[in-house]
Amino acid sequence: DIVMTQTPLSLSVTPGQPASISCKSSQSLLHSAGKTFLYWYLQKPGQPPQVLIYEVSNRFSGVPDRFSGSGSGTDFALKISRVEAEDVGVYYCMQTIQLPYSFGQGTKLEIK
Amino acid sequence: EVQLVQSGAEVKKPGESLKISCKGSGYNFTNNWIGWVRQMPGKGLEWMGIIYPRDSDTKYSPSFQGQVTISVDKSISTAYLQWSSLKASDTAIYYCARRNNWFDPWGQGTLVTVSS
Repeated sequence: DIVMTQTPLSLSVTPGQPASISCKSSQSLLHSAGKTFLYWYLQKPGQPPQVLIYEVSNRFSGVPDRFSGSGSGTDFALKISRVEAEDVGVYYCMQTIQLPYSFGQGTKLEIK
Repeated sequence: EVQLVQSGAEVKKPGESLKISCKGSGYNFTNNWIGWVRQMPGKGLEWMGIIYPRDSDTKYSPSFQGQVTISVDKSISTAYLQWSSLKASDTAIYYCARRNNWFDPWGQGTLVTVSS
């Protein structure tokens, strides 16, 4: 099974400052067809998760451009260029290249 | 609007059976896999399994194989997650979600509480 490891597990950020979350997978998420099956989700308090980034670096519809994803192979990152109060919640990376699909442990973002 | 609507919260006793549902609307339900995810109290997301409504092909995480059953009734655009004998450790919120390559949308979640 593919293990997804996120760091840090928590972040406290002043509004307007940047934030970055790392996600490492135990196996490459690059498919032979050229697509990389790495996704980022945000779970806001009391809500179901919502997709932010698909296939490493593509922002989902409606996601602000302060969110960006990068990486390749087994090392990935989610960056928020300027954190806003509405960004609080838990961020998860997820892989869907191999069953069973798996999530990282989650990174809790709070506002200072 | 594409949406998944889950059945309401449940309170059960250990050993009881339970079936919760996830009804899709706003799209052709048979075209997309439906996944189930568990979130235990205060914990992260755990992927349980996935079903393809068109032919009921189902894949389980080894952690949940034999512990739950995922099924579907495509005639009413509804997926199900069921237990034959609940344990206290099954207490959690359960989410369904539609798979494109990403999972979207998600249902609102069903809280299952198992307590004697």
